[in-house]
Amino acid sequence: AQKITQTQPGMFVQEKEAVTLDCTYDTSDQSYGLFWYKQPSSGEMIFLIYQGSYDEQNATEGRYSLNFQKARKSANLVISASQLGDSAMYFCAMREGHRGSTLGRLYFGRGTQLTVWP
Amino acid sequence: DGGITQSPKYLFRKEGQNVTLSCEQNLNHDAMYWYRQDPGQGLRLIYYSQIVNDFQKGDIAEGYSVSREKKESFPLTVTSAQKNPTAFYLCASSLGSTFDFGNGTRLTVT
Repeated sequence: AQKITQTQPGMFVQEKEAVTLDCTYDTSDQSYGLFWYKQPSSGEMIFLIYQGSYDEQNATEGRYSLNFQKARKSANLVISASQLGDSAMYFCAMREGHRGSTLGRLYFGRGTQLTVWP
Repeated sequence: DGGITQSPKYLFRKEGQNVTLSCEQNLNHDAMYWYRQDPGQGLRLIYYSQIVNDFQKGDIAEGYSVSREKKESFPLTVTSAQKNPTAFYLCASSLGSTFDFGNGTRLTVT
């Protein structure tokens, strides 16, 4: 079974608008971490935001926020006030077992290609 | 500045040749990983290493080999046994909830 599912292959948003990128995950662990990365066309993976399964507040980093709904096993990324430079591929990823553990690889979804238009 | 260095950025090889991709980190991270990315797909794990002199196969290890002789270095060898080696390869390292990536090596085998 897929550990991470991103159902939107492509999304379009107008500049200055907000956009939500969907991510659902599958794990039986109680302890896990959720990551979002941005990958521009140059290929590097840029870390955006992290949410631990025990974190009570939704994570926020500048214009990025993570809408974490544990019961639904969803971890959607919200980008507010989109900019042209936000156009990129976005990946959701999960690591089972965090709380300082160095164990655990990242499982990735297939990604969502976001295009911001003027 | 701390980071992960992958070299070279682009690599071209003839079919049947082994090729080694370099990955060096100065973040003092314990764990290191190799992922492969194909167009339209997410990242798939090839190998990972939690400590020096130890490593485990990931989901698509066939045709690849690694070594971890030093904490800072985790080279990946793409052997001639790998059926479709042309891809984008990303190295990563982690400590705790931090998970960082190098800039990747794009390998083309013809």
